[in-house]
Amino acid sequence: EIQLQESGPGLVKPSQSLSLTCSVTGYTITSGYDWSWIRKFPGIKMEWMGYISYSGSTNYNPSLKIRISITRDTSKNQFFLQLNSVTTEDTATYYCAGGSFDYWGQGVMVTVSS
Amino acid sequence: DIQMTQSPSSLPASLGERVTISCRTSQGISNNLNWYQQKPDGTIKPLIFYTSNLQSGVPSRFSGSGSGTDYSLTISSLEPEDFAMYYCQQDASFPWTFGGGTKLELK
Repeated sequence: EIQLQESGPGLVKPSQSLSLTCSVTGYTITSGYDWSWIRKFPGIKMEWMGYISYSGSTNYNPSLKIRISITRDTSKNQFFLQLNSVTTEDTATYYCAGGSFDYWGQGVMVTVSS
Repeated sequence: DIQMTQSPSSLPASLGERVTISCRTSQGISNNLNWYQQKPDGTIKPLIFYTSNLQSGVPSRFSGSGSGTDYSLTISSLEPEDFAMYYCQQDASFPWTFGGGTKLELK
């Protein structure tokens, strides 16, 4: 069974970087699939942020392109989100997902506040 | 970006009732339309992929249909565990986008 688990700080200061980790079990991230980050804002809007493919290529939402980076550590079977220069508008619950969003983590809430 | 207009945003309904949620896209997406359920604890569960295909383990009371720019999710007879948020999402073109969500509430 493929399982994903997000981890990272729940509070980030404005202008700093948000860094999250997604740990994958039950499947090797280099075997296949795209591995995405998605966020849900307070209220109900959801946004796909980007993915890293099994081959290591990346694809980002143009709305975030200058601030986002998705990388991976294949030895740990993890992939990462870094979002730079955050503002209060980046406050959201962040999810990692695998495949065509077939597998989801539980989500981690991140608040941007001084 | 492809805009996704989901309706209604809120849907009060009763146990056993049949309900339909609609999703309209700003351009044709060739059936590349998926549905998700979000529970109050934040857990997200994929329900349907490519318009009408049920994900493994999803009860048969869920069904999806549509084509072109108009898609829908139908629950044939509401069970208590169905009261949740529902989202449509397109993966026809980047960036992948989501509908605004429908809150299915107990009437």
